[in-house]
Amino acid sequence: QVQIVQSGAEVKKPGASVKVSCEAFGYTFTGYSIHWVRQAPGQRLEWMGWFNTGNGNTKYSQKFQARVTITRDTSATTIYMELSGLRSEDTAIYYCVTSYYDLWSGVYWGQGTLVTVSS
Amino acid sequence: QSALTQPPSASGSPGQSVTISCTGTSRDIGAYSYVSWYQQHPGKAPKLMIYEVNKRPSGVPDRFSGSKSGNTASLTVSGLQVEDEADYYCSSYAGSYNLMFGGGTKLTVL
Repeated sequence: QVQIVQSGAEVKKPGASVKVSCEAFGYTFTGYSIHWVRQAPGQRLEWMGWFNTGNGNTKYSQKFQARVTITRDTSATTIYMELSGLRSEDTAIYYCVTSYYDLWSGVYWGQGTLVTVSS
Repeated sequence: QSALTQPPSASGSPGQSVTISCTGTSRDIGAYSYVSWYQQHPGKAPKLMIYEVNKRPSGVPDRFSGSKSGNTASLTVSGLQVEDEADYYCSSYAGSYNLMFGGGTKLTVL
């Protein structure tokens, strides 16, 4: 059974950075895409960027380009998303999503990580 | 990149059919066949219901179907059931390795 497990909730002050991890169990990231999607309270899903495990390339949404970094650890079992320059509008649930059928549909979702930005 | 356009709400009675639209442009939905649909119940992570416009992942009932015409994609839920009440989001590949989501539609089963 596939499980995508993310790191726990975080509370950060404005201007700080947050790094959320995503680990797969019963599934290998290799050959699939990994996307990060966030959802502010009561708001829509918002795509932040993706990591291509085939070649290690990344692409970020224009909105987050200057502040987000997606990386993979050397063991290739954990993916990280770091968001810098946090502001109150970044308060949201952050999801790690992996593909299976194609690069652009998310089959396996993590449980979500709530990031709260508050002074 | 702005979001794909979805109606904020849709509704139907049990047993009826309902269709939710998702409108993009010739640079996203109109250009590619990578349209997906997700179902999200309150407090839960989204669940993939349709990928590549009209394909169903394993385990998704065939009451759910997808289609596309021009710049608009559609999700049809037939034989509505109470448990289908949820938020539904479309997404589309938008070229240059970008993805975009719709604004979401709240489906109410009356």
